[in-house]
Amino acid sequence: NAGVTQTPKFQVLKTGQSMTLQCAQDMNHNSMYWYRQDPGMGLRLIYYSASEGTTDKGEVPNGYNVSRLNKREFSLRLESAAPSQTSVYFCASSVDRGNEQFFGPGTRLTVL
Amino acid sequence: DQQVKQNSPSLSVQEGRISILNCDYTNSMFDYFLWYKKYPAEGPTFLISISSIKDKNEDGRFTVFLNKSAKHLSLHIVPSQPGDSAVYFCAARGSNYKLTFGKGTLLTVNP
Repeated sequence: NAGVTQTPKFQVLKTGQSMTLQCAQDMNHNSMYWYRQDPGMGLRLIYYSASEGTTDKGEVPNGYNVSRLNKREFSLRLESAAPSQTSVYFCASSVDRGNEQFFGPGTRLTVL
Repeated sequence: DQQVKQNSPSLSVQEGRISILNCDYTNSMFDYFLWYKKYPAEGPTFLISISSIKDKNEDGRFTVFLNKSAKHLSLHIVPSQPGDSAVYFCAARGSNYKLTFGKGTLLTVNP
């Protein structure tokens, strides 16, 4: 039982490049989330998926897209990376929306 | 507008003593509050929660107190241990079921 897994752990991009962050959970949770954490800031919600087949914007969605591929997987895509997107990205899941969330280990992304 | 505030960026306590981490909120619609603990290079882990209909919840060394009239909650750790050294995030659930997180407090427990 791995919980929430994220790939890659680290990534360096050049401005304008694209990439997809992968997230998977094996807890049969319905809801999944993407957050970013910046120095001195709390966790800010980018997008979430309350259930398979639905996605909604969070607090800071600009510059990102998401796909809820199936119940297990929720990916985050940066189409044209910008230095302002340098951050640590966390994926999380919960049984249903509003319950306590379980977090992955994070992806540290640097955009040059 | 920061709806969940953790006004102390850091806190240092001696091993064996009590650690008290504070959190204030402004949105009276928040109905559920959670504390998460985060070690460096790891994801946050859920620690303890409290519903807005309660004023106290206890789990081992961890107790969360909620004062709704003051819109204030606190996490008490007794006794504090060096392994408790981490960043602690307070989070609150709104009517849309989304969590709003505070900026975190770095707790250092000195042996």
